[in-house]
Amino acid sequence: DTGVSQNPRHKITKRGQNVTFRCDPISEHNRLYWYRQTLGQGPEFLTYFQNEAQLEKSRLLSDRFSAERPKGSFSTLEIQRTEQGDSAMYLCASSLSLPGSSEQFFGPGTRLTVL
Amino acid sequence: DAKTTQPNSMESNEEEPVHLPCNHSTISGTDYIHWYRQLPSQGPEYVIHGLTSNVNNRMASLAIAEDRKSSTLILHRATLRDAAVYYCILRDTNAGKSTFGDGTTLTVKP
Repeated sequence: DTGVSQNPRHKITKRGQNVTFRCDPISEHNRLYWYRQTLGQGPEFLTYFQNEAQLEKSRLLSDRFSAERPKGSFSTLEIQRTEQGDSAMYLCASSLSLPGSSEQFFGPGTRLTVL
Repeated sequence: DAKTTQPNSMESNEEEPVHLPCNHSTISGTDYIHWYRQLPSQGPEYVIHGLTSNVNNRMASLAIAEDRKSSTLILHRATLRDAAVYYCILRDTNAGKSTFGDGTTLTVKP
């Protein structure tokens, strides 16, 4: 396993279209996270899963955004009716849920451009 | 979430040590101090983390103040490949998310 992978790496879409991104975490990691990053800013938390359960969602995750992790392995993030303000890098990360605090491993991200 | 404060930018000369400061005056007893860095066009990369004691790994050292209200990431010999944005993050022992600030942009001069 070479790490967290994300597909596609780049997505250009027109305003109003729906887009879906996929994240494949490190295989033994039971936690999976989604973040969004705009230019010059640090990543902003969107949501995270432990196994199949979505444990926390940010208020940034409007009703146009939905994330799933149906079998506790890969995850998808869908954005419906995209807006220009959705243009950003979408980052996925995974980790173990260890006592204490474990490191998160990030993927390379999917860069979304909404025209 | 407890907040961290970092300088916006720092410069270093190649092969010299770099000390990156972070203030976290509202840290709670169960918060771990994590450092990540992000190279251009890449996702963040874990550097080091600690709770109370100083920590060393192959990438860096983490010095934690006795009152835990500040910490310093130490790169012992900066290389050009260390040029990145460095984020100091507090994560609760049972935390899911990480709350990133805007980090410190480190420039390494040859």
